[in-house]
Amino acid sequence: DVKVTQSSRYLVKRTGEKVFLECVQDMDHENMFWYRQDPGLGLRLIYFSYDVKMKEKGDIPEGYSVSREKKERFSLILESASTNQTSMYLCASSFWGLNYGYTFGSGTRLTVV
Amino acid sequence: KNEVEQSPQNLTAQEGEFITINCSYSVGISALHWLQQHPGGGIVSLFMLSSGKKKHGRLIATINIQEKHSSLHITASHPRDSAVYICAVPPYNNDMRFGAGTRLTVKP
Repeated sequence: DVKVTQSSRYLVKRTGEKVFLECVQDMDHENMFWYRQDPGLGLRLIYFSYDVKMKEKGDIPEGYSVSREKKERFSLILESASTNQTSMYLCASSFWGLNYGYTFGSGTRLTVV
Repeated sequence: KNEVEQSPQNLTAQEGEFITINCSYSVGISALHWLQQHPGGGIVSLFMLSSGKKKHGRLIATINIQEKHSSLHITASHPRDSAVYICAVPPYNNDMRFGAGTRLTVKP
């Protein structure tokens, strides 16, 4: 069964900490995405990547960075976590073009205290 | 105006009812996705369609590319269908734009 795996289901971090959220897919997808989902705001794109070492800013990249050193892994980094980054974070991946095979991970609920 | 509009925002139905969720979009696309999110859970892709109709069990999705409109139907609804249903379109083929979601509650 093909999968997008996010390393943590729940995470609690302190303000100012550096936070790494990891996402791994086993489908040889070119595209990988990081979203955050907040009540009333829906899904918002933070960053996406269409190839190794390539990244594009989404709608809300401020306060985040990403890393894609290998095709199967896409990491989201919060350099200095803040309470307004408390959210559900979702990773997704797909094939190039039309987003065939679009698949979500199960999400990481991050709480910054 | 949002690029993807869904209606209704919330929907409550009795078990067994036929349900329709609508999605309109303003961007030019070649395909549209319907996604399902259960409470506290991840998101599952239900359909990707670029024309006509697709059926999977009790779920049917239709799309009219010319009118920029899609519908998701659930026949013989069941409480386990309770979830948020999200319409999504890839306007630039490598990004996604999402509707705000329709929260469906099916009562026994």
